[in-house]
Amino acid sequence: EIVLTQFPATLSLSPGQRATLSCRASQSVSSFLTWFQQKPGQAPRLLIYGASNRATGIPARFSGSGSGTDFTLTISSLEPEDFAVYYCQQRSHWRTFGQGTKLEIK
Amino acid sequence: QVQLVQSGSELEKPGASVKVSCKASGYTFTNHDMNWVRQAPGQGLEWMGWINANTGNPTYAPGFTGRFVFSLDTSVSTAYLQINSLKAEDTAVYYCTSHIAVDQDFDYWGQGTLVTVSS
Repeated sequence: EIVLTQFPATLSLSPGQRATLSCRASQSVSSFLTWFQQKPGQAPRLLIYGASNRATGIPARFSGSGSGTDFTLTISSLEPEDFAVYYCQQRSHWRTFGQGTKLEIK
Repeated sequence: QVQLVQSGSELEKPGASVKVSCKASGYTFTNHDMNWVRQAPGQGLEWMGWINANTGNPTYAPGFTGRFVFSLDTSVSTAYLQINSLKAEDTAVYYCTSHIAVDQDFDYWGQGTLVTVSS
């Protein structure tokens, strides 16, 4: 099983700041890495697929990068609605999710 | 528009069974596999596996074999998740999800169904 480790577990920032979230895979997943956003009481929402492709309707302030084992989700300037939990997921071998990063308001 | 609409919350006793439904609309049901994802209270997401919506062949992720059953009724564009011999640790929100517009990535999700197992 491919294990995804997300860090930090919690990120405390203010609106307008830049957020950098990381996801590391236990073995290479090529570019088969996806990012989701989840708000309380809601289903996850697809943000980034193929490591760096924004899904339809996702603002340009969200960007993804990386390949192999190390990946990053960057939010260039935080909006109030961006505070949520973010999960990475790989689909290189079966599918597994990381444990999530909670992005909270400082 | 594409929608996945799940059945309502369930409260069941340990040892019972529960069947969660996921009704799809807005696309050709048999063209896109249906996946299931579990989220225990306050926890992260776990992929449970998927069912081929064309053949009905299910594939279960490790940890979800034996008591979990995926099925379909293509006549009503609905996928089902049945959990048998319920345990307290099955208490979770269960989501159906599929890749419709984005190849192989979950771009549509049901709203989730809370299954509570308690005596």
